[in-house]
Amino acid sequence: KAGVTQTPRYLIKTRGQQVTLSCSPISGHRSVSWYQQTPGQGLQFLFEYFSETQRNKGNFPGRFSGRQFSNSRSEMNVSTLELGDSALYLCASSLVVSGQGWGGYTFGSGTRLTVV
Amino acid sequence: AQKITQTQPGMFVQEKEAVTLDCTYDTSDPSYGLFWYKQPSSGEMIFLIYQGSYDQQNATEGRYSLNFQKARKSANLVISASQLGDSAMYFCAMREGTYNNNDMRFGAGTRLTVKP
Repeated sequence: KAGVTQTPRYLIKTRGQQVTLSCSPISGHRSVSWYQQTPGQGLQFLFEYFSETQRNKGNFPGRFSGRQFSNSRSEMNVSTLELGDSALYLCASSLVVSGQGWGGYTFGSGTRLTVV
Repeated sequence: AQKITQTQPGMFVQEKEAVTLDCTYDTSDPSYGLFWYKQPSSGEMIFLIYQGSYDQQNATEGRYSLNFQKARKSANLVISASQLGDSAMYFCAMREGTYNNNDMRFGAGTRLTVKP
């Protein structure tokens, strides 16, 4: 059974550019969540998608957006990149959507974004 | 709001010895799940073990066990017979089962170093 696949693994972008990260969940998992991990802030929740709808959103500016497709694959986009957006972005899939239980997450390997 | 506290930024353990990583949590939801993840330097979050709030017995998975003390709101991870490959960051996490917008929340993590 394939795990959660995130692409690309590494990315270097220039300040002001935009970036799109991709996540393919485990087959059968319809809930996809995104996290940003930095040394200073730890793991911070970005958003959760379920059935192509954003169910939950963390405290991030509007430059951070996402979407989910009918096959449950998800993308997140960051526009007008800032140096502080440099981080490891982790995607996680779950059988359980928020509000319907406490099912665990399976994480991908992450995308390490560096903004220069 | 749910909150996870890991008070040990770093821990050292001798190879083949046991080590306990501390985690306390706070929630008003009677239904919740507690999780431990391991993050090696590669960045991937690896699921180790979970405990449901209604589970009567402590969870065990191989060398990992979760010491669940519900009244004290603690969920410590015990690793027996430590191996060099156990050196990594360890995160305690919780997800509430009832409330909407119940994304998984993480503690700050504990960096475990296993000495030969």
